Amino acid sequence: DIVMTQSPDSLAASLGERATIDCKSSQSILYNSNNKNYLAWYQQKPGQPPKLLIYWASTRESGVPNRFTGSGSGTDFTLTISSLQAEDVAVYYCQQYYRPPHTFGQGTKLEIK
Amino acid sequence: EVQLVESGGGLVKRGGSLRLSCAASGFTFTNAWMTWVRQAPGKGLEWVGRIKSQNDGETRDYGAAVKGRFTVSRDDSENTLYLHMNSLKTEDTAVYYCATGVYRGDVRPTGLPPPKYLQHWGQGTLVIVSS
Repeated sequence: DIVMTQSPDSLAASLGERATIDCKSSQSILYNSNNKNYLAWYQQKPGQPPKLLIYWASTRESGVPNRFTGSGSGTDFTLTISSLQAEDVAVYYCQQYYRPPHTFGQGTKLEIK
Repeated sequence: EVQLVESGGGLVKRGGSLRLSCAASGFTFTNAWMTWVRQAPGKGLEWVGRIKSQNDGETRDYGAAVKGRFTVSRDDSENTLYLHMNSLKTEDTAVYYCATGVYRGDVRPTGLPPPKYLQHWGQGTLVIVSS
């Protein structure tokens, strides 16, 4: 199985500050035939199901604020929140959908400093 | 509007069985690949299993922790996804979500599989396995 490892496990940043979460896969999740990285990012707030933020590593889901940006390729990926808002407090997960089982990272808890 | 509503959760003894359901609406269920994801209390997300559409062979894939004990099935006539759980263990205690991806306008481009990323999620149903 592909192992997804996120860092850090938790993060505290000030309002308006940039927040960065990294995700590393145990093998490449770049499919050469279409040059797409099979990686998604989700946001989960307490008591709610996860919400898709980013897919194909960098494509923002409809309605997601443009302060959320996904980047990276191959095995190393990053979710950046450019200017942290109070409503961004949540746990963030990366997921590979390159090969089943479509494993998730362990999650990164983002709080306001 | 896409809606996914899980049901069937509850309290069950270790070694027992349970069947979860997920009622789907707002999209062409017969074309969708459907996924179960679970979340143990206070823990992260765990991919449980997925079933492809009938046109794509209804292939099933499972996570290592549930392989051989859980079965994903679907009833396209009822727009319902199922998770049959056998030989339950205390570590199966979790909220179980069904989820799927749907192309914009619910139109699948020729030659492409449905989205594998999970755009739409239900609210989940809680399963508690007691010892």
